[in-house]
Amino acid sequence: DAGVIQSPRHEVTEMGQEVTLRCKPISGHNSLFWYRQTMMRGLELLIYFNNNVPIDDSGMPEDRFSAKMPNASFSTLKIQPSEPRDSAVYFCASSSARAGLAVYEQYFGPGTRLTVT
Amino acid sequence: GQNIDQPTEMTATEGAIVQINCTYQTSGFNGLFWYQQHAGEAPTFLSYNVLDGLEEKGRFSSFLSRSKGYSYLLLKELQMKDSASYLCAVRDTEAAGNKLTFGGGTRVLVKP
Repeated sequence: DAGVIQSPRHEVTEMGQEVTLRCKPISGHNSLFWYRQTMMRGLELLIYFNNNVPIDDSGMPEDRFSAKMPNASFSTLKIQPSEPRDSAVYFCASSSARAGLAVYEQYFGPGTRLTVT
Repeated sequence: GQNIDQPTEMTATEGAIVQINCTYQTSGFNGLFWYQQHAGEAPTFLSYNVLDGLEEKGRFSSFLSRSKGYSYLLLKELQMKDSASYLCAVRDTEAAGNKLTFGGGTRVLVKP
């Protein structure tokens, strides 16, 4: 099992440029989550999908951020235009959507470290 | 809304025991998770509690009291490799799917 795959692992870009982060969830998982982690704010949920449908995007900071999940094996998080305050580590995680008493923990990808100068 | 509190940092000695507390005030509750995150790496799953009581898994144990909105993670026989951040996370109601809200994390430093 390859786990959750994210690319790129590191991204350095200039303010105003478009940034696209990519994620491939674990095969068979039907929930996908995008998080942002900074020292100041910790790990924040940006958006999550169930069965490729966005369920809750209340954590998306502003209209500059958008996320898509065109199929069960791929998702993107786009920032356009990027700003220095977007510098952070962005994690993608996947899990099974069914709740109840089952564990169904989230599995995290290695993250993308984004630096906007 | 969700509010999850845990200490920022703790220091302990190799071989000792450390207890990391987590208190939560959430609009919905369907389980509490603990994750471990080493510096520069992704969080990894440690434990899960949905019913009151203690769950033991090797050197790590996690306790939950739903009536008190309280959990702790107990790390026994500390090893240097246990130096990491430990994140408490609450899963929302079943209707909300598998959404987790994370606390700020507790950084544990194990000294020789």
